Amino acid sequence: AQSVTQPDIHITVSEGASLELRCNYSYGATPYLFWYVQSPGQGLQLLLKYFSGDTLVQGIKGFEAEFKRSQSSFNLRKPSVHWSDAAEYFCAVAPYNTDKLIFGTGTRLQVFP
Amino acid sequence: DSGVTQTPKHLITATGQRVTLRCSPRSGDLSVYWYQQSLDQGLQFLIQYYNGEERAKGNILERFSAQQFPDLHSELNLSSLELGDSALYFCASSAPRDSRLGEQYFGPGTRLTVT
Repeated sequence: AQSVTQPDIHITVSEGASLELRCNYSYGATPYLFWYVQSPGQGLQLLLKYFSGDTLVQGIKGFEAEFKRSQSSFNLRKPSVHWSDAAEYFCAVAPYNTDKLIFGTGTRLQVFP
Repeated sequence: DSGVTQTPKHLITATGQRVTLRCSPRSGDLSVYWYQQSLDQGLQFLIQYYNGEERAKGNILERFSAQQFPDLHSELNLSSLELGDSALYFCASSAPRDSRLGEQYFGPGTRLTVT
């Protein structure tokens, strides 16, 4: 069955530090890959997406993600975290030939000043 | 603001009752998706409609149903409510050109509390 794993439930970083959130997917072919962010009491906002081509994708708010086929991973990175980045981050896949999104369990990011 | 609106924002009701959640997609979007977010199940896809027709079904209970109207707004009907149905229900919409390549824009959600 298709699945998405975010192994880190909770991550704490200091403001200005770099960030990497992990995401692994289980699927026979390369799905479409997404990262969404959910701020408290808010809906989900798309940070970036990967469909094909360049495996390093740039998103909004200074985020980027790298697709590694050999590792079935799509990790999210940011070189310098801001306090406003504190939120919950979801990795999602859309398997080939479907529109539905399968979400990981999310990683809650806490940022200390 | 994603352009997707959901009403109501909050809903408190009793077990056994029926409620209707409403979603208006972004202007021009033909696809509407419903998701449920709960503490124990996480974010789960429920159902998708495309231009008035059901396109895909996920983990949607038989007590739940949805429809998309000619003006493209959608309603999710939840009946015989149980405590475990308490959750945040999101609606999302995607671009008409090709929803397969389009990103999904999420509404702010409706928080349902069943007491």
